[in-house]
Amino acid sequence: GAVVSQHPSRVICKSGTSVKIECRSLDFQATTMFWYRQFPKQSLMLMATSNEGSKATYEQGVEKDKFLINHASLTLSTLTVTSAHPEDSSFYICSAREKGLAYNEQFFGPGTRLTVL
Amino acid sequence: AQSVTQPDIHITVSEGASLELRCNYSYGATPYLFWYVQSPGQGLQLLLKYFSGDTLVQGIKGFEAEFKRSQSSFNLRKPSVHWSDAAEYFCAVGDMNRDDKIIFGKGTRLHILP
Repeated sequence: GAVVSQHPSRVICKSGTSVKIECRSLDFQATTMFWYRQFPKQSLMLMATSNEGSKATYEQGVEKDKFLINHASLTLSTLTVTSAHPEDSSFYICSAREKGLAYNEQFFGPGTRLTVL
Repeated sequence: AQSVTQPDIHITVSEGASLELRCNYSYGATPYLFWYVQSPGQGLQLLLKYFSGDTLVQGIKGFEAEFKRSQSSFNLRKPSVHWSDAAEYFCAVGDMNRDDKIIFGKGTRLHILP
């Protein structure tokens, strides 16, 4: 149980285009989903927290107009990188917190490698 | 502010040798603590977690960790490493006061010598 999937696993796009990444909780309902980015050989940096049915909360320094997050249902959150540029190339990982759990364990997706040419 | 420190960026051990990865945290209350492992190009896999109770926590793949409040530490150990243990290891603390965000350490890259 507690499986989180991401799609696509890898995407290459041209500079200026937008890319959407999906994060799904496959066998549980996720009230909260988190989006992280990870640069090569570095740790995960939290970008934003999204709660189902409400606006995402972005971490300081993260451009909300560039990284659009939608959490439309209890099993799906999407991250759209708008007008992508080469500096947006990174590994994006989502995680989900199961509804009803008393503690804050998060289940992580396998990640999406974004390369912007 | 809450933080996690992993003082070793790289650790190299021989296959079959014992392993200890260090982790120190800064948190105002009893923390939720985690160890994750990440293979190259992959997502994170939870090795073990501590929420309360017994301070020695057993995890998957033969790993264990001990919570020491007096030292603000949560070191990861394994008695005998295997070549397949080569990966990046992240210690993390869950912040109950900030919408349950998880704060990660910078990671320790484990290299295994044959």
